[in-house]
Amino acid sequence: DVKVTQSSRYLVKRTGEKVFLECVQDMDHENMFWYRQDPGLGLRLIYFSYDVKMKEKGDIPEGYSVSREKKERFSLILESASTNQTSMYLCASRAFGDRGNQPQHFGDGTRLSIL
Amino acid sequence: AQKITQTQPGMFVQEKEAVTLDCTYDTSDPSYGLFWYKQPSSGEMIFLIYQGSYDQQNATEGRYSLNFQKARKSANLVISASQLGDSAMYFCAMREYRNSGNTPLVFGKGTRLSVIA
Repeated sequence: DVKVTQSSRYLVKRTGEKVFLECVQDMDHENMFWYRQDPGLGLRLIYFSYDVKMKEKGDIPEGYSVSREKKERFSLILESASTNQTSMYLCASRAFGDRGNQPQHFGDGTRLSIL
Repeated sequence: AQKITQTQPGMFVQEKEAVTLDCTYDTSDPSYGLFWYKQPSSGEMIFLIYQGSYDQQNATEGRYSLNFQKARKSANLVISASQLGDSAMYFCAMREYRNSGNTPLVFGKGTRLSVIA
């Protein structure tokens, strides 16, 4: 079974802090993704990465950056946390597509509160 | 433009009845995949079922089936014989294959299903 592990289930930080959310997968997947989930808005893509040191912006990258120094680890960084970044953050991974039918495997999520 | 539309924010169904969750999508890519996920109150995202745009038959996985109508661009999830444990958020998602392996899933806003005893 694919295991995607997010470092924290719950996190509370203060406005202006630099916040790191860590995600590790154990299946040697090339692709990794960060989403945020808000009530009534579904999941929105922040950033994704298809290889080490590669990154692509998603739909809502403003205020975030990412780092992928090793294949198994994909970090989301809130450069200067703001209250509107309070949300559930979900990390996912997926093997590089051949037939394209591989699902994305998700971690359990990090519920982040910015005070 | 929104690519995945789930028009039902919430639905109720009686235990043991069947229920259909609606999903329509928008794409100009002839090659794409459609996915459904379940998210219980605990928060994890559980993959349920997949349908490829070139698949001739509707996908089925146990009590889940996907009613795929390509011309109408709809991919409705049908849950047969609902159980109390089916109460959850359900998300429809799509992936376009224009870049083969690298494109991410795009999600709808979800439908909250409540199963009543």
